[in-house]
Amino acid sequence: NAGVTQTPKFQVLKTGQSMTLQCAQDMNHNSMYWYRQDPGMGLRLIYYSASEGTTDKGEVPNGYNVSRLNKREFSLRLESAAPSQTSVYFCASSAEIRGAGYGYTFGSGTRLTVV
Amino acid sequence: RKEVEQDPGPFNVPEGATVAFNCTYSNSASQSFFWYRQDCRKEPKLLMSVYSSGNEDGRFTAQLNRASQYISLLIRDSKLSDSATYLCVVNGRNEKLTFGTGTRLTIIP
Repeated sequence: NAGVTQTPKFQVLKTGQSMTLQCAQDMNHNSMYWYRQDPGMGLRLIYYSASEGTTDKGEVPNGYNVSRLNKREFSLRLESAAPSQTSVYFCASSAEIRGAGYGYTFGSGTRLTVV
Repeated sequence: RKEVEQDPGPFNVPEGATVAFNCTYSNSASQSFFWYRQDCRKEPKLLMSVYSSGNEDGRFTAQLNRASQYISLLIRDSKLSDSATYLCVVNGRNEKLTFGTGTRLTIIP
């Protein structure tokens, strides 16, 4: 009963390094999301994918790329990390809640520090 | 104006008290409303959906006022385990959710 799994849980990068955050869900959800959470800013959408093979920009996409590899997996890539990308990153997938719209299930997060 | 606005708190409330939070949203076309709970250094988790008729889940009651575009959450007989940040969440015609910045609640023994 894994739900949404994110790796890694923690990461420290040097400015200019690249890395990929991995996310997988086993709930057969069509839609997946990447958010970042910063103090006082709340959760901000980076990219989302409404279905396998499609991706769209969210509120703060600059400096990131994504890949929806298949229905289960949605990865987030930082090509050249910057200190401004220090944040907590959450992956989520969504499913319809009967009579109440769509609810999200989140992964446990990745704490990224760029030095 | 932010799409979803919440009082960030903190609310420091004695155990057993009743506490209420409000949240306002700007998009009158919003169709679905939720409260999420987020514990320190953890992921957000769905607490309850919010319906126009209001809904109750144990000690928690959520209300929606579409005319005034606000959502409320009432917690009765608060427990130490209720200490968390409560996120007000709204979505429109698609699946994307917009999150408030959260209201921090601490229950004091």
